[in-house]
Amino acid sequence: ILNVEQSPQSLHVQEGDSTNFTCSFPSSNFYALHWYRWETAKSPKALFVMTLNGDEKKKGRISATLNTKEGYSYLYIKGSQPEDSATYLCAFILSGGSNYKLTFGKGTLLTVNP
Amino acid sequence: NAGVMQNPRHLVRRRGQEARLRCSPMKGHSHVYWYRQLPEEGLKFMVYLQKENIIDESGMPKERFSAEFPKEGPSILRIQQVVRGDSAAYFCASSPPGIPGNTIYFGEGSWLTVV
Repeated sequence: ILNVEQSPQSLHVQEGDSTNFTCSFPSSNFYALHWYRWETAKSPKALFVMTLNGDEKKKGRISATLNTKEGYSYLYIKGSQPEDSATYLCAFILSGGSNYKLTFGKGTLLTVNP
Repeated sequence: NAGVMQNPRHLVRRRGQEARLRCSPMKGHSHVYWYRQLPEEGLKFMVYLQKENIIDESGMPKERFSAEFPKEGPSILRIQQVVRGDSAAYFCASSPPGIPGNTIYFGEGSWLTVV
């Protein structure tokens, strides 16, 4: 069974705080890691697709790092704003033929209080 | 460019009825995926289709569930003789031709409630 673990499950921060969460995944047969941002009643929106060990990606105040050898990725949000409140999902893809099948974690629910 | 469109957004069915969920991929996308989110669970892969072909249905329950993506029209996820355990959110996603596994675009989901 291939599991993706995300921690923490939920997080409350104050506006302006910086925060980060973790995604752990099996390190063998790695193909890609995806991060999604999911607001209630909307569709999950892709943030990053990461494939290389040591990858760092950034979009505005949000950035992510990837360590495929030890099987983890961090998502960082600098200076959180109330509009950052959402569930952040990570999903990985195995190599070896099914390189389209996302295995999702349960997400980290972020609430940013004004 | 409209996103992935799913309908209905909410569907209520009595046990034993059929549920049909529709998904129109983004324009130009030829890969369609269905995922299911059961209560308290993460999104789980069900099936991957290309036009007129089921590529991988390894995540689909063996009975009562079927999916198609015809040459014309939307992809359909069909659940026959629904049971309470089928109550879930069903998400469709699509990606452009070429290498699958690149950015995949999700719809807003169809919530099925079986009463």
